[in-house]
Amino acid sequence: NAGVTQTPKFQVLKTGQSMTLQCAQDMNHNSMYWYRQDPGMGLRLIYYSASEGTTDKGEVPNGYNVSRLNKREFSLRLESAAPSQTSVYFCASTEQGEWGYTFGSGTRLTVV
Amino acid sequence: QKEVEQDPGPLSVPEGAIVSLNCTYSNSAFQYFMWYRQYSRKGPELLMYTYSSGNKEDGRFTAQVDKSSKYISLFIRDSQPSDSATYLCAMSARFSGTYKYIFGTGTRLKVLA
Repeated sequence: NAGVTQTPKFQVLKTGQSMTLQCAQDMNHNSMYWYRQDPGMGLRLIYYSASEGTTDKGEVPNGYNVSRLNKREFSLRLESAAPSQTSVYFCASTEQGEWGYTFGSGTRLTVV
Repeated sequence: QKEVEQDPGPLSVPEGAIVSLNCTYSNSAFQYFMWYRQYSRKGPELLMYTYSSGNKEDGRFTAQVDKSSKYISLFIRDSQPSDSATYLCAMSARFSGTYKYIFGTGTRLKVLA
């Protein structure tokens, strides 16, 4: 099925460990996004890539880095995980940035 | 003040009821208005979008936008237990060549059989 694929689905990290969340889309979309979702806070944009070769900070970029590897793939890296980064992370993509996003199924990350 | 306000619920209704979900917003520049449905432990999926003011209908779902009041609504007719989910509103506008896209925090809906 066409869509956005995220790996892994679940992860537990110890404080200070690093990890990379992977995202791939097969819809030939130009723009890709990383969000985190926390109870009562809604979806908050971490980083986005408007097109291949570009990345920009969103609302909550501190503690994260991203790489737009090619048009299909957009990864999110936590260099030194902190308990405050415990969250559900969603990747999304869109062809036209003004309306419809397609989301992945999410990565549930716990930092202990 | 948040740019988008949405009552978190939960909203519990009996099967077959008409459901009204709402969001208010503060920035009059928003032009596209979206509703997403998110089932538990899944990603949000786009239900409907509307450009500017007016109504849009898709099956049992109707989206309304009142830009003068900065108020958007999603109506669900003949609600079903399968409609139980969290509904997120979203809106976007173009600023300085890029799109600003804002999500509400979501309203949790429970449709009781």
